[in-house]
Amino acid sequence: DQQVKQNSPSLSVQEGRISILNCDYTNSMFDYFLWYKKYPAEGPTFLISISSIKDKNEDGRFTVFLNKSAKHLSLHIVPSQPGDSAVYFCAASGGKDDMRFGAGTRLTVKP
Amino acid sequence: KAGVTQTPRYLIKTRGQQVTLSCSPISGHRSVSWYQQTPGQGLQFLFEYFSETQRNKGNFPGRFSGRQFSNSRSEMNVSTLELGDSALYLCASSPPNYEQYFGPGTRLTVT
Repeated sequence: DQQVKQNSPSLSVQEGRISILNCDYTNSMFDYFLWYKKYPAEGPTFLISISSIKDKNEDGRFTVFLNKSAKHLSLHIVPSQPGDSAVYFCAASGGKDDMRFGAGTRLTVKP
Repeated sequence: KAGVTQTPRYLIKTRGQQVTLSCSPISGHRSVSWYQQTPGQGLQFLFEYFSETQRNKGNFPGRFSGRQFSNSRSEMNVSTLELGDSALYLCASSPPNYEQYFGPGTRLTVT
């Protein structure tokens, strides 16, 4: 069962604009959330994380928002750059289960 | 459709032993990738198999090896286990696009 879902398989934005990637989860035991970025033929690399005691975490151009009541998190990239074009995975962990991943969203940033 | 399954879910081994982990991909997926997840290093790419051939390889020592069978099931082997090999090992299967569907992982503890 997909406990972590990324319902948008792809997203295209213009350079300089905001990219918003969304992720929903079903397991209320999850208390730590991560975003990974993946380029073709490479493994995912860690981008940013947030624990459930927070609702926002910011790192440079990347901000992750967590809405626990809605079981929803999002990654904002501002401003978007062509080098941000990649597949983004959200992941969640907590409880007795280890990390669960979404299937990914392909972000394309057009110059 | 059944998801990616990994066996066993938990494993305890001692230093010097070897271990084999198994991954059954989603039906129809021909690509299987393996990752190591540790608190300190995050998610690191081990290797990817496609149609029984290793297509990509991460930066891990030769003690880590894998193979894929004709039914796309994959195994990962670690020989001469070290304490630092304790980690969550994740397998992901992919259809012919960028999406990756992750299994629940195998938690390996080396004592």
